[in-house]
Amino acid sequence: QQPVQSPQAVILREGEDAVINCSSSKALYSVHWYRQKHGEAPVFLMILLKGGEQKGHEKISASFNEKKQQSSLYLTASQLSYSGTYFCGTEANMGRRALTFGSGTRLQVQP
Amino acid sequence: EAQVTQNPRYLITVTGKKLTVTCSQNMNHEYMSWYRQDPGLGLRQIYYSMNVEVTDKGDVPEGYKVSRKEKRNFPLILESPSPNQTSLYFCASRVGLFTSTDTQYFGPGTRLTVL
Repeated sequence: QQPVQSPQAVILREGEDAVINCSSSKALYSVHWYRQKHGEAPVFLMILLKGGEQKGHEKISASFNEKKQQSSLYLTASQLSYSGTYFCGTEANMGRRALTFGSGTRLQVQP
Repeated sequence: EAQVTQNPRYLITVTGKKLTVTCSQNMNHEYMSWYRQDPGLGLRQIYYSMNVEVTDKGDVPEGYKVSRKEKRNFPLILESPSPNQTSLYFCASRVGLFTSTDTQYFGPGTRLTVL
């Protein structure tokens, strides 16, 4: 079952912050985050593993709440280069290792 | 340079004409996947492979076949393409499964149109 992302779209001014959420009805082993710019392939941002953790990548960080099966991606002091569509991907079963993506959050950063 | 390559990048074909989309990676990764991307549906995994001769279905395997005879190659086969398989296809390879260095690399994509 596909994880649910929210919001579906967000418009920011440069320097503003944003949070993108990803929730699943299944018990999760891992959550991936990707960014895709128009006409390009998705680019891996980070993975968060079962056990609940937070990770940072420049001004982009994420958390994984294992009890709620939710993950959030935090974009701070946004830059124009952050524009794109963000996808979360979830793995429910380590043994099977199938990856299911959300439908995406379109982020537009304006000057 | 670490790369995932796909060929062809663009393909227009007709219903029922068998086709193969090739995928190759130069990073010696064990895990490879195929995804399709359709507007409003995000990315959906078709098949994945955890190593040579080991493949498994993703969320949307119907109408597709794969093989993994060599570690670097993971071709996607459409034996009888239909218009509902018109889509953007991505191949990907992944390293360090379920570790802090787990990373997935995507190929540039293949845009397929089935008439």
